[in-house]
Amino acid sequence: DGGITQSPKYLFRKEGQNVTLSCEQNLNHDAMYWYRQDPGQGLRLIYYSQIVNDFQKGDIAEGYSVSREKKESFPLTVTSAQKNPTAFYLCASSNGQARDWRGYTFGSGTRLTVV
Amino acid sequence: EDKVVQSPLSLVVHEGDTVTLNCSYEVTNFRSLLWYKQEKKAPTFLFMLTSSGIEKKSGRLSSILDKKELFSILNITATQTGDSAVYLCAVLLFYQGAQKLVFGQGTRLTINP
Repeated sequence: DGGITQSPKYLFRKEGQNVTLSCEQNLNHDAMYWYRQDPGQGLRLIYYSQIVNDFQKGDIAEGYSVSREKKESFPLTVTSAQKNPTAFYLCASSNGQARDWRGYTFGSGTRLTVV
Repeated sequence: EDKVVQSPLSLVVHEGDTVTLNCSYEVTNFRSLLWYKQEKKAPTFLFMLTSSGIEKKSGRLSSILDKKELFSILNITATQTGDSAVYLCAVLLFYQGAQKLVFGQGTRLTINP
């Protein structure tokens, strides 16, 4: 079955460490997105990528970095510059050209906790 | 700045009640408005609305969009405990040649038996 896989599901990080969250999709979607979800704040866009080797900053990109070397993969690195990284991170993908487009397909998320 | 605002942020009702969730927006380059249900982790798609005044319906859930007043409502009738979830409203817009979804804060709905 096609879908998006995020790993790990839970991640603990010490302050000052960089961590990388994995996002892989086998839907052949061109566009991929990273969102952050905090209680009471909905989903906020961190980075997005429309094609391989290209990506743009979203609304809250500071302290994060991404790469898009393959169509299937869009990893997110949370750097030590991110002041408040504890949150739930959601990856999504989209084929916006589909006639029956029904929004983004989301992964199951990674819950990152700084200890 | 593109903005999507949902209300109420939290709602607790009894099973069998009818609820109305609200979503208002102020965005540029509006294309569509989407509703999602998020129970534990991944949001799941409910509706996409593009035209004003046309109700979309799926079982006990229905939604409508008013593009003049810039809002949408999601109705759930005869609520069940399985409807307990966070309901997310999102607006699809085009920004610098890219498609982007801007989300509201979500409404946390709790249905008590």
